Amino acid sequence: EIVLTQSPGTLSLSPGERATLSCRASQSVSSSYLAWYQQKPGQAPRLLIYGASSRATGIPDRFSGSGSGTDFTLTISRLEPEDFAVYYCQQYGSSPPITFGPGTKVDIK
Amino acid sequence: EVQLVESGGVVVQPGGSLRLSCAASGFTFDDYAMHWVRQAPGKGLEWVSLISWDGGSTYYADSVKGRFTISRDNSKNSLYLQMNSLRAEDTALYYCAKDGWFDPWGQGTLVTVSS
Repeated sequence: EIVLTQSPGTLSLSPGERATLSCRASQSVSSSYLAWYQQKPGQAPRLLIYGASSRATGIPDRFSGSGSGTDFTLTISRLEPEDFAVYYCQQYGSSPPITFGPGTKVDIK
Repeated sequence: EVQLVESGGVVVQPGGSLRLSCAASGFTFDDYAMHWVRQAPGKGLEWVSLISWDGGSTYYADSVKGRFTISRDNSKNSLYLQMNSLRAEDTALYYCAKDGWFDPWGQGTLVTVSS
């Protein structure tokens, strides 16, 4: 089973700042089958990035994903008020099981 | 438009049973393996179970193995999760999802195990 570790656990930033979220896998994620999700309180998760770097439909270009192998990054270039949320990474290349990271909370400083 | 609508969640006593359903539309259901994923209150996302496109192969998280059974009816574009011997730690919002990256997510169905 591939274990995903996300850091930091909480990121306190101000609107307009850049956010860099990390997701590290315990072994290589095949074919960069790595996705990122955003979840706001009381809502289901929303897909942001798939294939490590492809933006999902309707996702603003301030969100970008990068990385391969065991190290992946989600970058939000300039935080908007609606971006304060919890972000999860997920690997789906070695399934089952699909695994999720524990999440990074981005909150307002 | 892809839609996944989960249903069947209720309050149930420890040791009880429950069957969740997921109605899928907007895609060719029998082209895809399907998953159940859950989220306990205030916690992260946990994969629960996977079923192949034809129902011939099923997989479970260790936490539910032997208690939960995933199934599907391709003629009805529906996915199911039979949950037996429920425990307090099974309390969660349950989501169904099609294989690969999960998009979109349904609204989930809440299962509460409590006496």
